[in-house]
Amino acid sequence: QQQVKQSPQSLIVQKGGISIINCAYENTAFDYFPWYQQFPGKGPALLIAIRPDVSEKKEGRFTISFNKSAKQFSLHIMDSQPGDSATYFCAANENQGGKLIFGQGTELSVKP
Amino acid sequence: KAGVTQTPRYLIKTRGQQVTLSCSPISGHRSVSWYQQTPGQGLQFLFEYFSETQRNKGNFPGRFSGRQFSNSRSEMNVSTLELGDSALYLCASSWGKNTEAFFGQGTRLTVV
Repeated sequence: QQQVKQSPQSLIVQKGGISIINCAYENTAFDYFPWYQQFPGKGPALLIAIRPDVSEKKEGRFTISFNKSAKQFSLHIMDSQPGDSATYFCAANENQGGKLIFGQGTELSVKP
Repeated sequence: KAGVTQTPRYLIKTRGQQVTLSCSPISGHRSVSWYQQTPGQGLQFLFEYFSETQRNKGNFPGRFSGRQFSNSRSEMNVSTLELGDSALYLCASSWGKNTEAFFGQGTRLTVV
C-alpha cells in the first residue's frame, strides 16, 4: 500500500527526443506527487510536483501527467538534452507531514 | 538564500562505533526529514521532525535516532554501526506539512 513503483529502471534517449518515466501507486490517500532529479554525488533536487486535483502540470520542458483513476503519474521531458542525464525519482506523500515514499529511480542517459 | 547544509560530507567509521550526522535546514523551514539512500534499497524514509517533535518514523531499527533543536537544526545518530549502514544519508527540509521538500547534498557514511 505504501509502495510507489517506477519504470523503466534505465532509459536511453537521443538528444531532442522525449523522455517518459512512469510511476504507479496504490495508496489513494497520497495527495502530493513530486519528481526529483539527482546527479552523481549530489542530493535530489525538486524538479516539479503535482497534486491530484489537476491532470497535468508543465514547467518549461518538464511535464507531469496525472491519472487519478488509474493511480498513475508520469514525467515527460521534452527536447531532452545531454545535461538532463541523471537519475529521476518519483515520490508520493500522504498528508501527514514530510514522509516521502520514493520510487526506485530511473537512470536517464541522453545521447548527443 | 542558503540551502540545506549537511555535515560532514564524508565519514568513515568502524563497525560497532556510533556516529552523529548534522543537518541545518533552509531558514524558516520547521520540518526536517532524514532518508537513507543505498543502491539496493533506494531512498528510504528514516524519520521526520517538526518543531522539535518526531512526527513520522520509518521502518528502521532503534539504533537509528534523531532529534531537532529549537533553531530547527537536526541531528541523527546511529549506534552500534553495521556494515549495512553504509549509505548516503540525506536530510530534507520543508516549511511544513505536505510542502516542497529540499534536500541537502548528503553525508556519505562508510562502515568498515
